[in-house]
Amino acid sequence: DAGVIQSPRHEVTEMGQEVTLRCKPISGHNSLFWYRQTMMRGLELLIYFNNNVPIDDSGMPEDRFSAKMPNASFSTLKIQPSEPRDSAVYFCASSFQGADTEAFFGQGTRLTVV
Amino acid sequence: QKEVEQNSGPLSVPEGAIASLNCTYSDRGSQSFFWYRQYSGKSPELIMSIYSNGDKEDGRFTAQLNKASQYVSLLIRDSQPSDSATYLCAVNTGTNAGKSTFGDGTTLTVKP
Repeated sequence: DAGVIQSPRHEVTEMGQEVTLRCKPISGHNSLFWYRQTMMRGLELLIYFNNNVPIDDSGMPEDRFSAKMPNASFSTLKIQPSEPRDSAVYFCASSFQGADTEAFFGQGTRLTVV
Repeated sequence: QKEVEQNSGPLSVPEGAIASLNCTYSDRGSQSFFWYRQYSGKSPELIMSIYSNGDKEDGRFTAQLNKASQYVSLLIRDSQPSDSATYLCAVNTGTNAGKSTFGDGTTLTVKP
């Protein structure tokens, strides 16, 4: 398996623009997580899905952020409109639900909003 | 109180020494515990998992778990410069669809 695949790897956009981050989880995994990492706040869980259903989105910072998982092999995280403070590395991770599950991370998307 | 707390570091040890990384957690129902290593500019990767009290060894790495004290640690023996990275402790309660809560990480530098 190729692992968790994220795209794009780097994104530079202007403030106010819409940004869409994409993720393909590992085949067979049924939990998917979106994290944001910054120096100041560390690794923050934004939202996670189980069997394509959003379970907890309490980490989503504002209504400007939205996430979807239309099927088991694809998820998106959208920011509209983007702001400079959204600049961070966004990771997608997947796992197979269970008490001993480990999360496998994608390579991340480095977002810069200017 | 944070759900998962780690020594803020940074931690610096000489090459060949033992590096000790510590983590405490607040949820007594936690069942699974993980240590991830993250090199600068890279994504976290799992290096150790532990599920029961005691020690678990894998090469130069030993994870220690004490559920009564809600404490988990990672020891790195014979530290190498290539071990220089940020180490993240993650805790999973076994519910919430496999969701893990991460600590802020401890940055380790191994000096040649």
